[in-house]
Amino acid sequence: ETGVTQTPRHLVMGMTNKKSLKCEQHLGHNAMYWYKQSAKKPLELMFVYSLEERVENNSVPSRFSPECPNSSHLFLHLHTLQPEDSALYLCASSQEMGSSYEQYFGPGTRLTVT
Amino acid sequence: GQNIDQPTEMTATEGAIVQINCTYQTSGFNGLFWYQQHAGEAPTFLSYNVLDGLEEKGRFSSFLSRSKGYSYLLLKELQMKDSASYLCAVRDSNYQLIWGAGTKLIIKP
Repeated sequence: ETGVTQTPRHLVMGMTNKKSLKCEQHLGHNAMYWYKQSAKKPLELMFVYSLEERVENNSVPSRFSPECPNSSHLFLHLHTLQPEDSALYLCASSQEMGSSYEQYFGPGTRLTVT
Repeated sequence: GQNIDQPTEMTATEGAIVQINCTYQTSGFNGLFWYQQHAGEAPTFLSYNVLDGLEEKGRFSSFLSRSKGYSYLLLKELQMKDSASYLCAVRDSNYQLIWGAGTKLIIKP
């Protein structure tokens, strides 16, 4: 596979469940990102990892917990979510963090919290 | 606060030209990006501007005026497959990407 992949593509979970989203990049990039995309709203940056170290955490509730075991993989662990957390969760990677490097996005996980 | 403004929706005709505007107020400026996102798909990179002027890439061009806090994406010879949302994003002084809400472009035959 090439590019950025995400699994699952769709997820329905109850508020008491625990689930994880997975992202994998096959581009040899050093930076990885989690975004939340809600309808008609700007992309919200949640977390940034550079060389497996978290460098950004934009006031995200603790019910979202990221994990970056290596530079190719990124997880988002979910627990006791709220219905307003329903959204498209996008993973992205870039060669380095910052500068002119564009970000490459995965197809996203469409999350519905019931 | 930081803000990116772009129209919510635009409609254009196949074969025509359309210009999508983006204005920004950010703390510092380190480049502006345009992305295309088809419904249900990942955003894909279109263009990057860091200096004033026009960058041309096939049917798509992007313009930047840093003094006016303004950019536009110009799409020529529109095709039905250009129906998508177009996202404007600015990298601020902390190298964070600030995103607009996107412009949904509808192409009619």
